[in-house]
Amino acid sequence: GENVEQHPSTLSVQEGDSAVIKCTYSDSASNYFPWYKQELGKRPQLIIDIRSNVGEKKDQRIAVTLNKTAKHFSLHITETQPEDSAVYFCAAEYSNYQLIWGAGTKLIIKP
Amino acid sequence: EAGVVQSPRYKIIEKKQPVAFWCNPISGHNTLYWYLQNLGQGPELLIRYENEEAVDDSQLPKDRFSAERLKGVDSTLKIQPAELGDSAVYLCASAPIGGGDNEQFFGPGTRLTVL
Repeated sequence: GENVEQHPSTLSVQEGDSAVIKCTYSDSASNYFPWYKQELGKRPQLIIDIRSNVGEKKDQRIAVTLNKTAKHFSLHITETQPEDSAVYFCAAEYSNYQLIWGAGTKLIIKP
Repeated sequence: EAGVVQSPRYKIIEKKQPVAFWCNPISGHNTLYWYLQNLGQGPELLIRYENEEAVDDSQLPKDRFSAERLKGVDSTLKIQPAELGDSAVYLCASAPIGGGDNEQFFGPGTRLTVL
């Protein structure tokens, strides 16, 4: 069935370094790929999204890249800060307008 | 603008008891989602409403779960009877219009513990 695989499950980086989280999806018809951030005990919130008509999108320290041929997309966070510590979820929209979510990546920023 | 409101925030019940969760979406949002989130996992869709119509309930365990959105605004999700494996966070989300390619705004969730 449709699924989204997300790696790594845990990522620990030094403050100021970059973090990269990768996701792959199975349905070549998927056209929308959001990333949500969920801080401990809080609700998921959209941080960036990308549609299939573009290959990259940036918003300050956050960027997302999409490779439709390979069916994978990645989240890039540069100059990481303590407030970036959270669980990050990727998702892909499938043909029935349903979002399929990845299992999440726990990002730890070490001081 | 008020966000998505859910109640209760926490609920502890014994197995086989019924439980209900309530969600008030952002004003004007036609699409409403109920998700289940287990610890360390991503949200799993239970049901999606477009106004008062359930357009995707394929993941809802209909033997014990039910949901309604009678007037196309507030929604309730019910479990009867609850099982131990139902312990999870139940998230409600809303979006302005239908389709999956719009930002979903999540409520704070209801953490259910079944003893």
